[in-house]
Parts: sequence; structure tokens; C-alpha cells
Amino acid sequence: DSGVTQTPKHLITATGQRVTLRCSPRSGDLSVYWYQQSLDQGLQFLIQYYNGEERAKGNILERFSAQQFPDLHSELNLSSLELGDSALYFCASSVDPTMVPNEQFFGPGTRLTVL
Amino acid sequence: DAKTTQPTSMDCAEGRAANLPCNHSTISGNEYVYWYRQIHSQGPQYIIHGLKNNETNEMASLIITEDRKSSTLILPHATLRDTAVYYCIVRVPHYGQNFVFGPGTRLSVLP
Repeated sequence: DSGVTQTPKHLITATGQRVTLRCSPRSGDLSVYWYQQSLDQGLQFLIQYYNGEERAKGNILERFSAQQFPDLHSELNLSSLELGDSALYFCASSVDPTMVPNEQFFGPGTRLTVL
Repeated sequence: DAKTTQPTSMDCAEGRAANLPCNHSTISGNEYVYWYRQIHSQGPQYIIHGLKNNETNEMASLIITEDRKSSTLILPHATLRDTAVYYCIVRVPHYGQNFVFGPGTRLSVLP
């Protein structure tokens, strides 16, 4: 158990819908990262937050957005869902991205299925 | 971030050492080498990291060549539970420098 929690575990929805994935980082971790893992793309970095502020963006679609709240939990919002958005979504957390090793602790993931 | 090259897959007999190579010939002086693994569809798990020196922890050993252009992750006594995809990543600890996961090496530990 990494200490990172993600809800829900599974999500099944239809094309065009909007969903929200939630992540609670490990106690004491200030940085949260979101990753997408689909069968054909591997593990792709989406976005990073540090203490409530966006710090880095990866391959995140405009239909996707995220935020980190004052209590440091984070939400990833996916809208206008398409079949290709079906994937595992992982959240990770770390203390400080500039510290070595900046070990990232990953949650168990949310499996999104878009029908 | 420097690119890494790893074998697509490897097999290892249970109880034997598993040696997973990684090439990172364009690594820069301030980039660390990290190893993560992912068991089936679970979240990736940190294994070990290093800059120049060889490192060992309770999970594995990391051997980095003197020129830092390649490294080897060693699982000293592989078990069936070590079957996973192993990712070698190089990065600078910085806000904007994140982990870039390549395809990794699929290690199968065989009974």
C-alpha cells in the first residue's frame, strides 16, 4: 500500500459524458501527478501540481482538466469522453519535485471504460 | 530527459539473479537513473535510484557504469512475484522534469 488513494476504482460511462477522478496523496506529500495508461500508449504523464499550483503539463488533452485543492487532494476531470479515453488513470504523489530522489508513490489507479 | 533503451522482454529462473540492462548514452551530468516496476495493472512501484555510485537497498542493486552511459538493475534472488514490467528512467529532479516511462522490460520469472 503506497498511501495514495484513488476513487473510484472502476468507472463505466458513455461517450460524450463527463467524469471526475479523485486522488488523495500520501500524508505530507505536496505534489500530485496524473498519468494515463492505455494499451497502445503506455504510461503517459498528464499533469503535475505542487501545493495547489500547476507545475508541469504533459500530453493532456484540452477536454481534460485537473486541480489540487487546499487539503492537497486532486481531481482529474475528463469531459466529452471518447472511446479512446478508456484507460487506467494513475495518480502519484511526492514530497517535493526538486528533492532527490523525488520518489513518486503511485495509487492503485482508476479504470475508466467508455462505451 | 535522456532517452533510455531496454530489452523488450527477459526471462529468469526463480531463485536466480535477474540482471536488467538499460542504455542511457545521452545522459547528462545532473540526471539521475531511476528504476520502477509495474506488476500487472497495479501502480508503478519505485525500486531504486542512483547518480554515479552503485546503490543497494532491500529490493535490488543498481550498477552504473563509470561513464554513466548504461546501468544494470539486479534482483539478487528473483521470485515469481518479481514478474513485472521494469522501467529505467533518467531525469533531473526539477519541477518541470517528470518521469517519462518508456515501454520497459517485461521480466518473466519462471518456476
